Amino acid sequence: GEDVEQSLFLSVREGDSSVINCTYTDSSSTYLYWYKQEPGAGLQLLTYIFSNMDMKQDQRLTVLLNKKDKHLSLRIADTQTGDSAIYFCAEFGGGYNKLIFGAGTRLAVHP
Amino acid sequence: EAEVAQSPRYKITEKSQAVAFWCDPISGHATLYWYRQILGQGPELLVQFQDESVVDDSQLPKDRFSAERLKGVDSTLKIQPAELGDSAMYLCASSLLATGNTGELFFGEGSRLTVL
Repeated sequence: GEDVEQSLFLSVREGDSSVINCTYTDSSSTYLYWYKQEPGAGLQLLTYIFSNMDMKQDQRLTVLLNKKDKHLSLRIADTQTGDSAIYFCAEFGGGYNKLIFGAGTRLAVHP
Repeated sequence: EAEVAQSPRYKITEKSQAVAFWCDPISGHATLYWYRQILGQGPELLVQFQDESVVDDSQLPKDRFSAERLKGVDSTLKIQPAELGDSAMYLCASSLLATGNTGELFFGEGSRLTVL
């Protein structure tokens, strides 16, 4: 079935690295995404990775993809208070020609 | 910077009333999506338009929900009658390319519905 799973909550200290994990369902998904949602706002695309890649780096963000385990992670280096938000993992393609979102991981950054 | 516009931002209504939400996508974006986000959950697709045509409404509760995009630009999502379980954030998104694109969606700020 359609089920992207994420841990619900992560708390980190400012300046540390954050790692948000996700497992997805469809091994034939072509793209995997990370979206960010700040309070009261819509979703903003952070980064995405094509399924034939295993890593993508974009400034402070590193995405790792393990296709065998259908596991996706987002690492945020030097986490700042402005990174506090809900982070959604999503898969696209394969059997579902639409974006399937996880329930989101709430990241709290404390001093 | 171009944005997806939605209105109203907030709507409080009583059950059995009718409500409507409006969305204006980014100019030139052919694909428009309506998502529902229940508190504590991820967005769930209700309906997807390609220009003025519906390409996916499999999760739209058609007994009470309707959506249209008559001229292939802005769109309206209607609920009649509203039920308590419809309380949620209704997000509109648009994308430049047709179905099967990279999935880069641009979201509006959403319309938060509370049904009493």
